[in-house]
Amino acid sequence: EVHLVESGGGSAQPGRSLRLSCAVSGVTFRDSAMHWVRQAPGKGLEWVSGISWNSGSSDVADSVKGRFTVSRDNDKDLVYLLMDSLKIEDTAFYYCAKGRTFNGWTLESWGQGTLVTVSS
Amino acid sequence: QVLLTQSPSASASLGASVNLTCTLSSGHSNYDIAWHQQHPDKGPRYLMQLNSDGRNIKGDGIPDRFSGSSSGAERYLVISSLQFEDEADYYCQTWVTGMQSVFGGGTHLTVL
Repeated sequence: EVHLVESGGGSAQPGRSLRLSCAVSGVTFRDSAMHWVRQAPGKGLEWVSGISWNSGSSDVADSVKGRFTVSRDNDKDLVYLLMDSLKIEDTAFYYCAKGRTFNGWTLESWGQGTLVTVSS
Repeated sequence: QVLLTQSPSASASLGASVNLTCTLSSGHSNYDIAWHQQHPDKGPRYLMQLNSDGRNIKGDGIPDRFSGSSSGAERYLVISSLQFEDEADYYCQTWVTGMQSVFGGGTHLTVL
């Protein structure tokens, strides 16, 4: 069974940084793309970032471009989201999700999320 | 750029069937999508990938009551024999470009 466990969430002041991690087990991690999706309180899902199986391709949403960076470590089965210059509007639950294929956009497994709260 | 449109809410009676709709923006009617379910205070759950030709690729353990169909730019999630546990938010999702993806606004389903 596939398990995705996010960590690293918490409270931060505007302008500060946080790094989220997502540990994946129960599947061959290096065979799949990985994504980050967030959900602000009471709002819908927003795609944030995606990275291909070998880190050859990656993208971030326009709302976080220049501030967030996605990376992965295929030896440790981990994917990261480095969030710099945090803004109040970045407050959300952050979910990691596994793509169906090497560069897959279909999110076939999800974690339970980690909460990021940005406030002064 | 592709956009996905969903009605904010839907309702149906226990034991009945319901069709939830996801509409692809103009010029993108050949796109495949995915459907996800989310219960309150829970992480999303993948239901299926729904291709433009109507083919469903379901997630593990998804009941047969859940199916999908396609017609032009419309993508449907069909839930039959509705259960109270089906009351949830449903999101469609598709590929944009590269590693980018996008979600519809979601539909909250109420089971009466």
